Amino acid sequence: AQSVTQLDSQVPVFEEAPVELRCNYSSSVSVYLFWYVQYPNQGLQLLLKYLSGSTLVKGINGFEAEFNKSQTSFHLRKPSVHISDTAEYFCAVRPSGGSNYKLTFGKGTLLTVNP
Amino acid sequence: DAGITQSPRHKVTETGTPVTLRCHQTENHRYMYWYRQDPGHGLRLIHYSYGVKDTDKGEVSDGYSVSRSKTEDFLLTLESATSSQTSVYFCAISESVQGDGYTFGSGTRLTVV
Repeated sequence: AQSVTQLDSQVPVFEEAPVELRCNYSSSVSVYLFWYVQYPNQGLQLLLKYLSGSTLVKGINGFEAEFNKSQTSFHLRKPSVHISDTAEYFCAVRPSGGSNYKLTFGKGTLLTVNP
Repeated sequence: DAGITQSPRHKVTETGTPVTLRCHQTENHRYMYWYRQDPGHGLRLIHYSYGVKDTDKGEVSDGYSVSRSKTEDFLLTLESATSSQTSVYFCAISESVQGDGYTFGSGTRLTVV
């Protein structure tokens, strides 16, 4: 089984500041990793995903994440945030092999960007 | 998101009544999922389907049942609604492709009074 821990439930930052949202996972098998974003009163949208290859993954809206296998982490970063980035962000994991396509989600990190 | 719709978007119901939520997709994806989202808990899997008439339980399935008689429709039923089932319910779909993520619907906000 897999589990995901998002280390911060809330992250307040000022506009144009850098931000890092932290995600650690636990799994006995190789995994795929995902970050989703949820804007207020909307469903979840895929930001980026790591499947294999380069450990630095770039996504939409200027976000990127780095997969660190030794630390079992997949932290999300953005060098300069905007007010419009205010949203809840979810890290998710699923096994990379077999027929189990179920995603396991973290509890989310609420990013609030202040002017 | 295009290709997946949930209905109704909002519903208020009384304790003890049955409630059915519908998820409809036009993507012909094999896998469909029902999650509930609650503050402090993130998203928790209720039930999922891996094909027509093939369903299985998730981590919080008690009090819920599902049916999938067609590829495009996945129904979630609360047999006898309770206040603890007040939540936002999300449907998601995925294809059986390695590395595929989910596409989510816009959610149904259910209030049980």
